[in-house]
Amino acid sequence: AQTVTQSQPEMSVQEAETVTLSCTYDTSENNYYLFWYKQPPSRQMILVIRQEAYKQQNATENRFSVNFQKAAKSFSLKISDSQLGDTAMYFCSGGTSYGKLTFGQGTILTVHP
Amino acid sequence: DAGVIQSPRHEVTEMGQEVTLRCKPISGHDYLFWYRQTMMRGLELLIYFNNNVPIDDSGMPEDRFSAKMPNASFSTLKIQPSEPRDSAVYFCASSLNPGALSYGYTFGSGTRLTVV
Repeated sequence: AQTVTQSQPEMSVQEAETVTLSCTYDTSENNYYLFWYKQPPSRQMILVIRQEAYKQQNATENRFSVNFQKAAKSFSLKISDSQLGDTAMYFCSGGTSYGKLTFGQGTILTVHP
Repeated sequence: DAGVIQSPRHEVTEMGQEVTLRCKPISGHDYLFWYRQTMMRGLELLIYFNNNVPIDDSGMPEDRFSAKMPNASFSTLKIQPSEPRDSAVYFCASSLNPGALSYGYTFGSGTRLTVV
């Protein structure tokens, strides 16, 4: 994606509840990929989930799922049954299979006990 | 596989000094990326290589920054002379060849640079 926007600088959720992080993007490409990365306090960047733009089915990885709305260029991340270990900064990103990924500004998620 | 290895993990240096950050990508990965993370600007791509050749260095802030990849298993990012505004976390990431980039990057653990 050429631009990626995360409009929520911070979010919080109670343990065991569900939270949704928002992301919008803009691209002129037809074939592209979208990702959510997690950065815990350790600062390691961890790939959470990926979505291929040509697939209509939303990706899921255990408690993590996405709502991919191609026409609206929206790619939100839903975390179910939130756990304390989910506390981190989350980055939305996108790109083609050739070259660089563009990252959003990030959303700090805090899970409260 | 040890993942992407960056060194040092932390670096504190005085303004005007030369700083060299190092990265060893995952064996077999053809792409290598250098990103800088700051509170104000988020994650910025500085430069990336494909098969050891620099492809896009448009994100390199100025001539004080240079990056090299002398072989498939090693890359450096050098800042000379360093300035306080260069303080940031610098990430190296690698990925497989075209097409496999669809699986995203594998990041190193980053180098936190502080210039005083």
